[in-house]
Amino acid sequence: NAGVTQTPKFQVLKTGQSMTLQCAQDMNHNSMYWYRQDPGMGLRLIYYSASEGTTDKGEVPNGYNVSRLNKREFSLRLESAAPSQTSVYFCASRNRGTGNEQFFGPGTRLTVL
Amino acid sequence: GEDVEQSLFLSVREGDSSVINCTYTDSSSTYLYWYKQEPGAGLQLLTYIFSNMDMKQDQRLTVLLNKKDKHLSLRIADTQTGDSAIYFCAAFRSGGYNKLIFGAGTRLAVHP
Repeated sequence: NAGVTQTPKFQVLKTGQSMTLQCAQDMNHNSMYWYRQDPGMGLRLIYYSASEGTTDKGEVPNGYNVSRLNKREFSLRLESAAPSQTSVYFCASRNRGTGNEQFFGPGTRLTVL
Repeated sequence: GEDVEQSLFLSVREGDSSVINCTYTDSSSTYLYWYKQEPGAGLQLLTYIFSNMDMKQDQRLTVLLNKKDKHLSLRIADTQTGDSAIYFCAAFRSGGYNKLIFGAGTRLAVHP
């Protein structure tokens, strides 16, 4: 049981390049989330998916797109990366049972030059 | 709007107790969480408390909730160097997109 996995762990992009961050969970959770973490700001929600086939915007969706490929996988795409997107990106999935806990992946550290 | 606030830094001596405080604004928050983040790692769920409880204890961790004042605290007994990390408070509100609002994190430094 790996929990939530993310790839890649590190990435450096040039301004204007595109890339997709991958996330998968093996806990059979319906809800999945993408956050970004910036110094002194905690985590901010980019997009979420309440269930397979649905996605919705969070607090900071501009410049990102997502795909909920199946129940396990939720990807985040940067179509044209900007230096303001330099951040650490975390994927999470949520247990809808008692506690409603969110479980986080190890993160992707992205630098946009 | 919804907000969660924490002090940014706490320094304690090894063996002492640490108390990390958090305040939140949304009285509709149903669950409140504490996460731990070690350098270069993801967030690890430590514990959570349901809004109808006022205390929860789990080994060295004690969570206190004052719902009237919207104040949450995490006490770590017998703090060890391995407890050095950033601790995030988060409030969960059901409805809409079941939002989890995070504080900015408290960096706990444990010194000998």
